[in-house]
Amino acid sequence: GAGVSQSPSNKVTEKGKDVELRCDPISGHTALYWYRQSLGQGLEFLIYFQGNSAPDKSGLPSDRFSAERTGGSVSTLTIQRTQQEDSAVYLCASRDSYEQYFGPGTRLTVT
Amino acid sequence: SQELEQSPQSLIVQEGKNLTINCTSSKTLYGLYWYKQKYGEGLIFLMMLQKGGEEKSHEKITAKLDEKKQQSSLHITASQPSHAGIYLCGAEMKTSYDKVIFGPGTSLSVIP
Repeated sequence: GAGVSQSPSNKVTEKGKDVELRCDPISGHTALYWYRQSLGQGLEFLIYFQGNSAPDKSGLPSDRFSAERTGGSVSTLTIQRTQQEDSAVYLCASRDSYEQYFGPGTRLTVT
Repeated sequence: SQELEQSPQSLIVQEGKNLTINCTSSKTLYGLYWYKQKYGEGLIFLMMLQKGGEEKSHEKITAKLDEKKQQSSLHITASQPSHAGIYLCGAEMKTSYDKVIFGPGTSLSVIP
């Protein structure tokens, strides 16, 4: 079956612009996670959604970052007024029971 | 400081040698996960540990969760070049089920 997909795969944007990153989870998975991975680093937790519960936003680094999940399926991570330090690979994962299934990531470069 | 620490940060071993990677939590774990990431590629799930003292194996990789459920070790026997990559431990704490956080990773290189 289809895995987790993310779009775009690469995004280059100018400092100060807004960007939207999309995640299509595996159908039926109730939990969805966003992480950020900078070059040579581990995964930094950003936010997760579980069913109809309020999302855990405790990892969002600033109020320029927001995310939503529509209809319990597709999720969009929005970064407003991008900064150079936002450059990283943004990974999305969905989960049914215990294993997380990761998407291929979106590589964001802020120039 | 991070809630999850990994050691060593990086490791270079000769093919055929054994090695161990450790993951230590500052809080009691509900579940501990090991993933492998090939350079420039996605994450591959290796195994999950939940019970204190639990040990699981996948091919030549064995992971164990200590009794106090605050540390896990991943052991590779007779390493091969295919084992090279970044090993990441992920965890759910007892205080926050479902929120999975990750350690900083251990980079493994295996020299033929």
